[in-house]
Amino acid sequence: DAGVIQSPRHEVTEMGQEVTLRCKPISGHNSLFWYRQTMMRGLELLIYFNNNVPIDDSGMPEDRFSAKMPNASFSTLKIQPSEPRDSAVYFCASTGTAPSYGYTFGSGTRLTVV
Amino acid sequence: GNSVTQMEGPVTLSEEAFLTINCTYTATGYPSLFWYVQYPGEGLQLLLKATKADDKGSNKGFEATYRKETTSFHLEKGSVQVSDSAVYFCALTGSQGGKLIFGQGTELSVKP
Repeated sequence: DAGVIQSPRHEVTEMGQEVTLRCKPISGHNSLFWYRQTMMRGLELLIYFNNNVPIDDSGMPEDRFSAKMPNASFSTLKIQPSEPRDSAVYFCASTGTAPSYGYTFGSGTRLTVV
Repeated sequence: GNSVTQMEGPVTLSEEAFLTINCTYTATGYPSLFWYVQYPGEGLQLLLKATKADDKGSNKGFEATYRKETTSFHLEKGSVQVSDSAVYFCALTGSQGGKLIFGQGTELSVKP
């Protein structure tokens, strides 16, 4: 298995532009998570899906952020409009029906908003 | 709610020194406990886990024991190497599964 695949690895965009981050979870995993990592705030859970349904989006910072999971093999995190304070590394992770086995993380997308 | 507290870093050790990174948690029921490691410029990798009290997780020379009486899951290694330099995260999921809650991370730097 190729693991959790995120794209792009790096994204540099100008303030005000729309940014879309993509994630392909491990086949057969039914839960997917989006995290944001910054030096100041550490790892923050933004949203998670179970069987493609959003379960908890309380970590989404504001209406500029939205996430979708149209099917079991694909999810997007969109920021519109982007702001410099959104600069961070965004990680996607997935896990199966036995979360005690742990999550598998993607390599992350490093977003820089200038 | 559930939470995880780790000792603050950075921790700097000489090669072959003994490592302990403290982790305590607050949770209802019986959470599953994890240690993840993040090497520079990379994502998080599962290092070890324990799913019930008194379980010992181990991997690559690292160990941690699930202590329910002290609500702790301290990470230990008997002899660290330069290649162990990374950020280590303690984490838990609730007894019903769901989201993974992380501690703030502890940066380890091992000098030759």
